[in-house]
Formats: sequence, structure tokens, C-alpha cells
Amino acid sequence: QSVLTQPPSVSEVPRQRVTISCSGSSSNIGNNAVSWYQQLPGKAPKLLIYYDDLLPSGVSGRFSGSKSGTSASLAISGLQSEDEADYYCAAWDDSLNGPVFGGGTKLTVL
Amino acid sequence: QVQLQESGPGMAKPSETLSLTCTVSGGSTSDYYWSWIRQPPGKGLEWIGYVFDSGITNYKSSFKSRVTISVDTSKIQFSLRLTSVTAADTAVYYCARHSGEDRHAFDIWGQGTMVNVSS
Repeated sequence: QSVLTQPPSVSEVPRQRVTISCSGSSSNIGNNAVSWYQQLPGKAPKLLIYYDDLLPSGVSGRFSGSKSGTSASLAISGLQSEDEADYYCAAWDDSLNGPVFGGGTKLTVL
Repeated sequence: QVQLQESGPGMAKPSETLSLTCTVSGGSTSDYYWSWIRQPPGKGLEWIGYVFDSGITNYKSSFKSRVTISVDTSKIQFSLRLTSVTAADTAVYYCARHSGEDRHAFDIWGQGTMVNVSS
């Protein structure tokens, strides 16, 4: 049982837009920055979004992040087959005094 | 460009101690937080703990009695030591750097090393 809640899977066709939600509480998302990670099959996670909505250098502008209250979202526009991956949200948890992750969402590009 | 590389035994027996090292290349350990994160087969990510370059540590409570994370700034390495391992500790272990802009985000990851705990 993960502290942050994500849907197990989402799917969409190429060139469309998909969003992945991440739900938490006041001790994590509600009070701290959210980051998002992409994990391609058999690879290490890669930072996509930090500070809720900032993109690291080199990350495609097709990715965007947002946050409202105790929930956050990752949006991917112009879906491509290479976006098929697992996506994880994360945030610091003040009660647990450490970072916590969502359970991950598997994106399928149909 | 900073890169991380995990190293250590790929197998351990129950009750043994697991020791992994993460070597930092292209940079130093100074002024950053460094974490170990693991991923059991087919499951999600779990943070284990971090060390700052001064040696300050913070561990997930469920690991506190078994884990030690240390940094060797001269060797530009940091290490994980996990005692009394069980099959539940079977996982891919990643080392990761906390971002300098958002220290709660992990901006650089090692490729991961699989550890299998089995008798």
C-alpha cells in the first residue's frame, strides 16, 4: 500500500493527451513539492518533473505537471509509442520524515 | 556529466549482511544528498535512506534497525549496509542523487543492481 495513490494503468492512442493522477495528503503533497519519474522497461527511473511543474533540462515539453491541494497530475501530450513506460510520483512526507512514492502507473500507447 | 554506478554482490543468503557501493563519476559528493532506493520485482519504488556529504543520515523507519548508509568523500562513493536480510529484501537497488534545485527530487540515478536473497 503506497502512501501516494496512482491509477495502476492508463491508455491512449498516439498523438492524444493523457493525464496521470497522484493523490496524497496534507503531510506530503499538500505541503511539499511533487516530482515525477518515467521508468522505461528494464531501465532506471528518470526525473521528468520537479517542484510540481518544472522540467529538468533535456526533458520534452510534451510533459507537464500540476498540483492542486493534496493531488498532483502529470500530463503527456502528443503521445508517442516511446512514452510507454511506468510513471511514478513522489513527494516528501513530513509525518514519515522521508520521501514517499506512488505505486506507479503503467502507460500503454494503443 | 555526473554518473552513478552501483556495485556489490548480486546474491545474499537469509540473515546475511548486504553491502552495496555507489561510485560517483564526473563530479563529487560535496553539497548533495545521496539516497538508496529499491524496487522489488514487479513492484514500485521504495526509499531506504539518504546521506549528506557531511555524513548526516536519515533512514526510513522500517529500515532503521538494519541499515547504515555512509559516504566516503575521498573515494567519491557512498555505501549501503543492510543486515539480517530476508527474501523480502530481494530487489533492484538504485543509488540516486538529490537534485540541487529541489532536494526532494532525485535527478540522477544509477542503472541499478539486482540483489537476490535466497538460501
